[in-house]
Amino acid sequence: GQQVMQIPQYQHVQEGEDFTTYCNSSTTLSNIQWYKQRPGGHPVFLIQLVKSGEVKKQKRLTFQFGEAKKNSSLHITATQTTDVGTYFCAEDYGGSQGNLIFGKGTKLSVKP
Amino acid sequence: GAGVSQSPRYKVAKRGQDVALRCDPISGHVSLFWYQQALGQGPEFLTYFQNEAQLDKSGLPSDRFFAERPEGSVSTLKIQRTQQEDSAVYLCASSPRHFAYNSPLHFGNGTRLTVT
Repeated sequence: GQQVMQIPQYQHVQEGEDFTTYCNSSTTLSNIQWYKQRPGGHPVFLIQLVKSGEVKKQKRLTFQFGEAKKNSSLHITATQTTDVGTYFCAEDYGGSQGNLIFGKGTKLSVKP
Repeated sequence: GAGVSQSPRYKVAKRGQDVALRCDPISGHVSLFWYQQALGQGPEFLTYFQNEAQLDKSGLPSDRFFAERPEGSVSTLKIQRTQQEDSAVYLCASSPRHFAYNSPLHFGNGTRLTVT
């Protein structure tokens, strides 16, 4: 079945440093979504990427979708303590099923 | 309501007991999903409804798990004869359109189930 590989599993950074998490799929994706989950909270939708090679920005966050639509990345510039949480990619392989597959997430901690 | 509401927030069950978890999706949302999230893991898909129709239940781990959404709004996830491995956070999410339109998911706060 489909597998979602997300790396790294953990990332500890000093406030002000950059952070990147990567998501890789073994098969071509229809689209990919990114979510953030704060400690003790629930996943919150950040963005959706649909087109090959797509790049979207939200303030200090930059999201990319690979040309082959098999990988994606989330980059945070100059991390802040408010960025703490776990970032998940969620992959949609298309079709009529509702099986949006989440990665294991990258847990980000930021030291002030 | 303003968001997806789940109840109870916490549930402790003794092994072998049956439990029922409730989800109130955002009003008017067509799609409803149940996910299971173990500690330190990503959400794992359980089942999906479009209105009252259960279109995908491929993620339900055993026949002890049953979900329904009889009137196309509120949904209940029932777990019979709970086992310790069922301990997890059960997340409900809703979406305004059919899943095929790739709408983002709006998650509730989840129900944390602990089986002792």
